[in-house]
Amino acid sequence: QIQLQESGPGLVKPSETLSLTCTVSGDSIKGYFLSWVRLPPGKGLEWIAYISDDGSGNSKSSLRSRVTFSVDTAEKRFSLKLSSVTSADTGMYYCARAHLSSVAGDSFDVWGPGTMVVVSA
Amino acid sequence: DVGMTQTPLSLSVTPGQPASISCRSTESLQHSDGKTYLSWYVQKAGQSPQLLIYEVFNRFSGVPDRFSGSGSGTDFTLKISRVEAEDVGIYYCVQSKQLYTFGQGTKLGIK
Repeated sequence: QIQLQESGPGLVKPSETLSLTCTVSGDSIKGYFLSWVRLPPGKGLEWIAYISDDGSGNSKSSLRSRVTFSVDTAEKRFSLKLSSVTSADTGMYYCARAHLSSVAGDSFDVWGPGTMVVVSA
Repeated sequence: DVGMTQTPLSLSVTPGQPASISCRSTESLQHSDGKTYLSWYVQKAGQSPQLLIYEVFNRFSGVPDRFSGSGSGTDFTLKISRVEAEDVGIYYCVQSKQLYTFGQGTKLGIK
């Protein structure tokens, strides 16, 4: 069974960098396009970025200057860093999989349970 | 960036009655490969989002056939033929022709 598990710091101070990791179990990451999606309190879902299994990727234009990403293929971990965080970055952060060979194409067919991030001094 | 607009933002439906959610994109979601990159997700309380429909009308594995998707170009619709109590949640359309954009979400409740 394919599982995604997010991990993060829980609490981050304003202006600091948020680091998140998504670990894959039950599957190879070959062919993965792993996205990060967040849900701010009281708002809707927002796509942040995707990372492919070769470490390439892209991000939402309004966040691009603050986003960096990487992949550790040996550990099957996808990482996202979001710099200069503010209270607007508070929310639940999910990782979600799209896969080259998935019947669902580039839709997100597997999601992690999410990790809550609060930006506060 | 491609914008996505959903209507209505909330609706309340009697069990057994149909429901319909509209989604409009700021540009056509049909790709040069012939596919149209519009999907639908639902997020139920306390759960992660889950995929319902991909490429406009394809039901994902395990999704009941009371859910159907339709549309083309810039206008799309999700229909639930007979709403059940378990359908309560927030429904999102998502474009993936150019990166990804979520609609604002439509909250479905039960009367």
